[in-house]
Amino acid sequence: GQNIDQPTEMTATEGAIVQINCTYQTSGFNGLFWYQQHAGEAPTFLSYNVLDGLEEKGRFSSFLSRSKGYSYLLLKELQMKDSASYLCAVRVSYGNKLVFGAGTILRVKS
Amino acid sequence: ETGVTQSPTHLIKTRGQQVTLRCSSQSGHNTVSWYQQALGQGPQFIFQYYREEENGRGNFPPRFSGLQFPNYSSELNVNALELDDSALYLCASSLLRTEAFFGQGTRLTVV
Repeated sequence: GQNIDQPTEMTATEGAIVQINCTYQTSGFNGLFWYQQHAGEAPTFLSYNVLDGLEEKGRFSSFLSRSKGYSYLLLKELQMKDSASYLCAVRVSYGNKLVFGAGTILRVKS
Repeated sequence: ETGVTQSPTHLIKTRGQQVTLRCSSQSGHNTVSWYQQALGQGPQFIFQYYREEENGRGNFPPRFSGLQFPNYSSELNVNALELDDSALYLCASSLLRTEAFFGQGTRLTVV
């Protein structure tokens, strides 16, 4: 079976740092993706990890530990526009089938 | 802007009807995947097309079918619509093993 767990909701303050965790148990692993999705819009690609360690991309960083089935997305210097749902997804096959978690709704308050 | 376009953006259909959703993939991408996203949930994989052939399918009944054309655009067809088919349908284009870029989605409402 495929199982991806993320917290349902988080709240953080503008300018702060927030970490969104994701744990996964999947049959097959060919990389982990993070997407941002604003309400009523399509998911937009944020980051990709296939090897253990930290990938940094501006204000966003993502970490992967394959042995623990664990990833996190770190958002720094939070802005109001970062209020969105953050989706963790695992690519489970050689192709591009993605298994998504239910998403974490992040609310940034001033 | 991802370069992936879907049409229509919104659609209302009656239970039992059939619907066709369309997706134009990003230039150079040969792989199109379709996802269904119910409200408050993550996208669920329906199927994928690679170079005009189906390349994997999720847990969706046969009334969900698709096509990919030589220009790599794609269609998703759903027959005998049910109320539970109401969702956002997302198309994602990519090369076979690169990150997927999503279109803006088609919001389907079945009444």
